[in-house]
Amino acid sequence: ETGVTQTPRHLVMGMTNKKSLKCEQHLGHNAMYWYKQSAKKPLELMFVYNFKEQTENNSVPSRFSPECPNSSHLFLHLHTLQPEDSALYLCASSHKGTDTQYFGPGTRLTVL
Amino acid sequence: GQQLNQSPQSMFIQEGEDVSMNCTSSSIFNTWLWYKQDPGEGPVLLIALYKAGELTSNGRLTAQFGTTRKDSFLNISASIPSDVGIYFCAGQLFFGNEKLTFGTGTRLTIIP
Repeated sequence: ETGVTQTPRHLVMGMTNKKSLKCEQHLGHNAMYWYKQSAKKPLELMFVYNFKEQTENNSVPSRFSPECPNSSHLFLHLHTLQPEDSALYLCASSHKGTDTQYFGPGTRLTVL
Repeated sequence: GQQLNQSPQSMFIQEGEDVSMNCTSSSIFNTWLWYKQDPGEGPVLLIALYKAGELTSNGRLTAQFGTTRKDSFLNISASIPSDVGIYFCAGQLFFGNEKLTFGTGTRLTIIP
């Protein structure tokens, strides 16, 4: 238990569906991250939020839409995804400016 | 962009053996981190290194920050079944910048 929770743990969706991933951290951190983990590839940073402000968008397609209503919660809204978007989506948090990131267990997403 | 090359990609060892893996880069990093990921879970931080030449232990794990600042090493002594998983290195280029670059991982399997 790292103090970062993610729901759902598994998600299967069609290409026309709209769904959301949720992340919550109980560590008092002020930076939160979304990563994509595909087989045989390094973790890919998608978005970074510091104090609820987005500070990094790593050229992510607009079908992924993040939302950070406060420093403890982070969402990833999904719509019209493609099969190649199937992956493990990991949320992480840290204190701003520090390297030590704590990861949640991830959401295993399958797009049919 | 920066790349971290991890080797070996996979290891098959017997219980009780020692394990060595490394991570190299063409760029200088200010911080090196080692994470372990169990199946179905997110990465968990094992060791963080902040100075060139630094040697840090966490139980049976020992990691070193290479003197050139372009590499790092992780050793596991007397492996046990729960050591199975994927080990990732990660580097931070700039202090105060949360962005981490991850390696592709070393998958450790213990043969009974």
